[in-house]
Amino acid sequence: DTGVSQNPRHKITKRGQNVTFRCDPISEHNRLYWYRQTLGQGPEFLTYFQNEAQLEKSRLLSDRFSAERPKGSFSTLEIQRTEQGDSAMYLCASSSGNGILNYGYTFGSGTRLTVV
Amino acid sequence: DQQVKQNSPSLSVQEGRISILNCDYTNSMFDYFLWYKKYPAEGPTFLISISSIKDKNEDGRFTVFLNKSAKHLSLHIVPSQPGDSAVYFCAASDLNSGYALNFGKGTSLLVTP
Repeated sequence: DTGVSQNPRHKITKRGQNVTFRCDPISEHNRLYWYRQTLGQGPEFLTYFQNEAQLEKSRLLSDRFSAERPKGSFSTLEIQRTEQGDSAMYLCASSSGNGILNYGYTFGSGTRLTVV
Repeated sequence: DQQVKQNSPSLSVQEGRISILNCDYTNSMFDYFLWYKKYPAEGPTFLISISSIKDKNEDGRFTVFLNKSAKHLSLHIVPSQPGDSAVYFCAASDLNSGYALNFGKGTSLLVTP
């Protein structure tokens, strides 16, 4: 296992289009998190899953944002009707419940979204 | 509202010296704190963590200190090496949030030869 994988690495889209990003976590990790990072800021928490259950989604930025983890493995983050303000780096992280205190979370390299 | 604050956007240190990165937080419910290192075009990499029941944790050249009464933590890197040059993020969490992390804005560390 080579870590958390995110695809695509870069996405350029026109305003108003829908985009979907994929995250493949470390296989034995049951928790999966999505974050957004804009220039000059730290990562901002969006949502997280424990297995296939989405346990926190109130911090998704608007109802245009949604996430799924249908079988408790990979996850997708969708943004509908993209706006220029959605341009950012979208980061996925995973962890095991027992490993958090010692190993933190493992982040992927992110998907950079540019809305033109 | 920014619950985790890193007030120094940048820091420059000579190789071999100590680097001290500071972080303050406002939420007294936070019970778990982490430091991440980030290179350009990569995701953050976990460095070291500390739980609120401790006041110090060491891992090699990296030591994190926690002062709960002051709501302050710091990361010490001794000795600093040029490869340590990166952006360092402080993050905090509490159990009730499912360990979702709240990040500071980061401090860019430059270690010069």
